[in-house]
Amino acid sequence: EDQVTQSPEALRLQEGESSSLNCSYTVSGLRGLFWYRQDPGKGPEFLFTLYSAGEEKEKERLKATLTKKESFLHITAPKPEDSATYLCAVGVTGANSKLTFGKGITLSVRP
Amino acid sequence: NAGVTQTPKFQVLKTGQSMTLQCAQDMNHEYMSWYRQDPGMGLRLIHYSVGAGITDQGEVPNGYNVSRSTTEDFPLRLLSAAPSQTSVYFCASSRLPQGNYGYTFGSGTRLTVV
Repeated sequence: EDQVTQSPEALRLQEGESSSLNCSYTVSGLRGLFWYRQDPGKGPEFLFTLYSAGEEKEKERLKATLTKKESFLHITAPKPEDSATYLCAVGVTGANSKLTFGKGITLSVRP
Repeated sequence: NAGVTQTPKFQVLKTGQSMTLQCAQDMNHEYMSWYRQDPGMGLRLIHYSVGAGITDQGEVPNGYNVSRSTTEDFPLRLLSAAPSQTSVYFCASSRLPQGNYGYTFGSGTRLTVV
């Protein structure tokens, strides 16, 4: 069974304090690993897709990396506007576009 | 460009009532899906469709029906609402094959069953 586990469940940072969010996965065949951001009361918003171990992608203060067992979302010098829930999802080969999501990590950045 | 539009945004139902949650997308996406999001449970797949006339069950399909008569629309029907169906429902769409772009989500429908 495909599984996605995100840790920690919640993270509180001071503005400027860099950290990493973890997403570990167990799948039969990885088609892609996806990161989304979700603000309260809104739908998830797409951030990154990673396809193979060693791949990295960046967007402003966010950098996503991928290994064969896990992905990290690194947040460098976060700002209060980075506060949100970050979701990780995996797509499995042969499963069309179906994604299996983790439970999310709620990030709070204090000014 | 509207993206994925869900209606209504909020709904309160009595146990046993039926209703339809609407989802429409204007991006010509082949793939559409319904998820429910509950505290501590994450997003769970209810039903999905890879094109007009084609639907399939996800992880938690019981109590829900779907149909897809057009590329644009993918309504979710609750047959006889139960308190366990209290949740936030999201519709999501994507191209096929999915490529680099992931899903586009709607803004959600918050459903309370009393």
